[in-house]
Amino acid sequence: EADIYQTPRYLVIGTGKKITLECSQTMGHDKMYWYQQDPGMELHLIHYSYGVNSTEKGDLSSESTVSRIRTEHFPLTLESARPSHTSQYLCASSEHNSEAFFGQGTRLTVV
Amino acid sequence: GQQLNQSPQSMFIQEGEDVSMNCTSSSIFNTWLWYKQDPGEGPVLLIALYKAGELTSNGRLTAQFGITRKDSFLNISASIPSDVGIYFCAGSSPYSGAGSYQLTFGKGTKLSVIP
Repeated sequence: EADIYQTPRYLVIGTGKKITLECSQTMGHDKMYWYQQDPGMELHLIHYSYGVNSTEKGDLSSESTVSRIRTEHFPLTLESARPSHTSQYLCASSEHNSEAFFGQGTRLTVV
Repeated sequence: GQQLNQSPQSMFIQEGEDVSMNCTSSSIFNTWLWYKQDPGEGPVLLIALYKAGELTSNGRLTAQFGITRKDSFLNISASIPSDVGIYFCAGSSPYSGAGSYQLTFGKGTKLSVIP
């Protein structure tokens, strides 16, 4: 079973607030990812990291930012949340060229 | 970028029936993965395939890595209500000299099982 954790599971927040979505993995994986997914729809890669101090933007443009100060931790931050940011955010990690393991996701609602 | 064409987009089947879904691409992949996602949860890895022609089973699930390395299929035998969910294929592109790795996802097949 994969050991990757996301908090919070659900978040309802007002427009303009700053939020940080947490993601931690205990598998020692170098690669970590953030995907954005609307309910029942496809996954869109918004950020990824090859390791500590490495962050890259994904295929889908996002106003969020990420950091990778520790191998196990890959938080995602929205400086000023808007209703258009309402979505599910999925974190994943993997070894090189291997299967990705996903967290349970954070369902974000911006009102 | 690379794209995966996953079909069908959705399926309604009777309990006990077999299910088949597939992914195709114009690009070569060196790994194929199949995931299942339940509502409100993250995708869970079902089967991983690493060699062209490889056929792998996991209980009632069987998946194959196409010989051309451009396609993969997933079969579910004797479907049960808990098979309901969205199934995603994903392909890993060949390792590049820049050290990058990319996992490309299909758009998903939504499976509904009628009891």
